[in-house]
Amino acid sequence: AQSVTQLDSQVPVFEEAPVELRCNYSSSVSVYLFWYVQYPNQGLQLLLKYLSGSTLVKGINGFEAEFNKSQTSFHLRKPSVHISDTAEYFCAVSDRSGGSNYKLTFGKGTLLTVNP
Amino acid sequence: EPEVTQTPSHQVTQMGQEVILRCVPISNHLYFYWYRQILGQKVEFLVSFYNNEISEKSEIFDDQFSVERPDGSNFTLKIRSTKLEDSAMYFCASSEWGGVGGNIQYFGAGTRLSVL
Repeated sequence: AQSVTQLDSQVPVFEEAPVELRCNYSSSVSVYLFWYVQYPNQGLQLLLKYLSGSTLVKGINGFEAEFNKSQTSFHLRKPSVHISDTAEYFCAVSDRSGGSNYKLTFGKGTLLTVNP
Repeated sequence: EPEVTQTPSHQVTQMGQEVILRCVPISNHLYFYWYRQILGQKVEFLVSFYNNEISEKSEIFDDQFSVERPDGSNFTLKIRSTKLEDSAMYFCASSEWGGVGGNIQYFGAGTRLSVL
């Protein structure tokens, strides 16, 4: 079984400031890692993914995340946020072996609010 | 860009009524999923479907729920007798495959179900 912890439920920042959204996971098996974004009144959009290889992955809209196996973390970062980045961000994991048919286990989400 | 389509966007029903939520996954995808998100809570896995059968279901997915792929394009979630606690946003997702390349799920915009 897997679990995902997003330590911050809300993160307010000013425009052009850097931001880090934290995600830690727990799993007895190797996992794939994902960040999804949900803009107001919209569905879930894939932001980035870690499947294998380089532990630093880049996604859409200037976001990046780093997989740290020893700390079981996958924190999301952006060096300079824009007001349009205001959204809810979800960290998720799935079992690499295909156990449970790759179902995603989500964190509770972090609401990023970018203020002018 | 191909996308997962869900209809309706909002469904209002009376307690005890049957509802069918509809999804059109991306055409060449093989794995299909339903998730739900109760207001203010995390996104939860309901069921996965592969090769025309359920591959896994969560504890939430009891006998009141069923899924079907009635033709080559639609994927439906039926709730036989809705309860107040079924009120949630329901997301359909699909993925092309698992394996080495990873199982990347693409989500629809969701159906908001309101049970009165």
